[in-house]
Amino acid sequence: EAGVVQSPRYKIIEKKQPVAFWCNPISGHNTLYWYLQNLGQGPELLIRYENEEAVDDSQLPKDRFSAERLKGVDSTLKIQPAELGDSAVYLCASSLGYTDTQYFGPGTRLTVL
Amino acid sequence: EDQVTQSPEALRLQEGESSSLNCSYTVSGLRGLFWYRQDPGKGPEFLFTLYSAGEEKEKERLKATLTKKESFLHITAPKPEDSATYLCAVQKGSARQLTFGSGTQLTVLP
Repeated sequence: EAGVVQSPRYKIIEKKQPVAFWCNPISGHNTLYWYLQNLGQGPELLIRYENEEAVDDSQLPKDRFSAERLKGVDSTLKIQPAELGDSAVYLCASSLGYTDTQYFGPGTRLTVL
Repeated sequence: EDQVTQSPEALRLQEGESSSLNCSYTVSGLRGLFWYRQDPGKGPEFLFTLYSAGEEKEKERLKATLTKKESFLHITAPKPEDSATYLCAVQKGSARQLTFGSGTQLTVLP
């Protein structure tokens, strides 16, 4: 069974530029999560989707971050404009339901110069 | 406020030298405690879920235990391939998200 797929794996941009990350969850998983992980820290939730609906986005900085999950499968996380402090690893995870085990993708390492 | 504290931050062991990692938590209404392993440049890999005090789970050289205030990840006779960062996370019954600790970076020397 294929795991969670993320792309790109690495992205280097200059500050104020836009950037987008893509995630394809495990087939059949209804719940999708985006996490941010800073160096030496554990992941922190940005947003959670149940199918197409964003049901927990309280930690998402909405002035510059946006996300969508069309058709309840793939998801895209966007930052516009990026700031230096956004440099981190962005992880996508999925689960069958919100109470089930979350399985993580490899992450996208973002560097903002 | 929910808190998850892992100790030590880093641990170096000789191959075969058994030890334990600690995860202390403060959360009301714990639904589950999760252990993940994370290798450099990769996402966290699921290891165990523990649901109630007294529960234990094992996988190869790893054994996870849970009390009302903390969880331990015991590593028996570790090998260099066990080197990784081990993360614990808690999930509340009333919330859906996982709250992670900062992890313990384990290095096993040959």
